Amino acid sequence: DAGVIQSPRHEVTEMGQEVTLRCKPISGHNSLFWYRQTMMRGLELLIYFNNNVPIDDSGMPEDRFSAKMPNASFSTLKIQPSEPRDSAVYFCASSLASGTVTGELFFGEGSRLTVL
Amino acid sequence: QKEVEQNSGPLSVPEGAIASLNCTYSDRVSQSFFWYRQYSGKSPELIMSIYSNGDKEDGRFTAQLNKASQYVSLLIRDSQPSDSATYLCAVFLGGFQKLVFGTGTRLLVSP
Repeated sequence: DAGVIQSPRHEVTEMGQEVTLRCKPISGHNSLFWYRQTMMRGLELLIYFNNNVPIDDSGMPEDRFSAKMPNASFSTLKIQPSEPRDSAVYFCASSLASGTVTGELFFGEGSRLTVL
Repeated sequence: QKEVEQNSGPLSVPEGAIASLNCTYSDRVSQSFFWYRQYSGKSPELIMSIYSNGDKEDGRFTAQLNKASQYVSLLIRDSQPSDSATYLCAVFLGGFQKLVFGTGTRLLVSP
């Protein structure tokens, strides 16, 4: 079975540009999570969806960040405008409905974002 | 106080030794605890979960939980160079209904 699929794997952009990261969760999983990982702050939860509905977006840093999940097989994380401090690896993860209790998240390979 | 705290390391152990990784958490109502392993440049993968006080063993791995002390640990017996990775402690915060990760402890196992 295919795991969580993220694209692009690497993105280099200039400050002020719009960045869109994409994620396809594992088929049958109905919870989807966006995390950001940096050396200083570790793995931070940005937002998570359950059955395509955003449940907790308290981790979204500011209005420049937005996330959508139009259907069960696709989600996007958008940064507009991007800033150098947004440089990080962005992970998408999915799980079954009780994933937050079981803690068994399946992570994609991540999207490494560099904002110059 | 951070919600989940880990020593960043690196923790260096020789091959065949026991590696002990520790984690403390702040939310007293947390009920679910997890250890993820992350190889350099890769994504995290779940290796252990523990929900009750005491020890849980799975092969060379043993997770230990002490809710009174708000402390979780992971022991790796007979450490192998292939165990060299960053180990992330994760806690499901019941009050906030979300899974929070520590910053991880880097483990180096030398041949």
